[in-house]
Amino acid sequence: AQSVAQPEDQVNVAEGNPLTVKCTYSVSGNPYLFWYVQYPNRGLQFLLKYITGDNLVKGSYGFEAEFNKSQTSFHLKKPSALVSDSALYFCAVRDMLAKGGATNKLIFGTGTLLAVQP
Amino acid sequence: EAEVAQSPRYKITEKSQAVAFWCDPISGHATLYWYRQILGQGPELLVQFQDESVVDDSQLPKDRFSAERLKGVDSTLKIQPAELGDSAMYLCASSLERTGGQYFGAGTRLSVL
Repeated sequence: AQSVAQPEDQVNVAEGNPLTVKCTYSVSGNPYLFWYVQYPNRGLQFLLKYITGDNLVKGSYGFEAEFNKSQTSFHLKKPSALVSDSALYFCAVRDMLAKGGATNKLIFGTGTLLAVQP
Repeated sequence: EAEVAQSPRYKITEKSQAVAFWCDPISGHATLYWYRQILGQGPELLVQFQDESVVDDSQLPKDRFSAERLKGVDSTLKIQPAELGDSAMYLCASSLERTGGQYFGAGTRLSVL
């Protein structure tokens, strides 16, 4: 079964410093990977996705993610954190049908709370 | 920018009562999803519609939950009777096609007392 793991419940970083939010995946076949952000009492907002191609994916609000097949990781990064980046971040993988086809069901990690201190 | 609309934003109900949530997807989006997000966890898919047809409801507790999308546009998710463990955020999402990127609404936060 497809799954993602976010090993850190919370990440603390000072404003202006680089940030990394970690995600590892377990899939059969080629993974379709996503990052979403959730602000308090709001729905999820799409940040970026990896389907194929360049291992470095650029997304919204200056975020990027690096797909690493050998380490089965898809870590979210940003060169310089902002206080307004403080939110809950979810990594997700698209589920696969037993016969290898893609559904559109997303399987989410447990989330990582990013706290950026001024 | 087009958004997925959900109502109500908050719902408080007593155990054994019936509740209903409404979702209006982005115009033209054929695929609609209902997710449940329990506090401290990631969202879990309850049901996926393609137009008016259900394509995945394997995680929907069918003894008490029902979902419909009669005209293939807006959708209603119902719980009857509600239980304490149903307290969660219920998120609706839509996508242009069956494998497209998903856009989420703000959600309905349900509290069952």
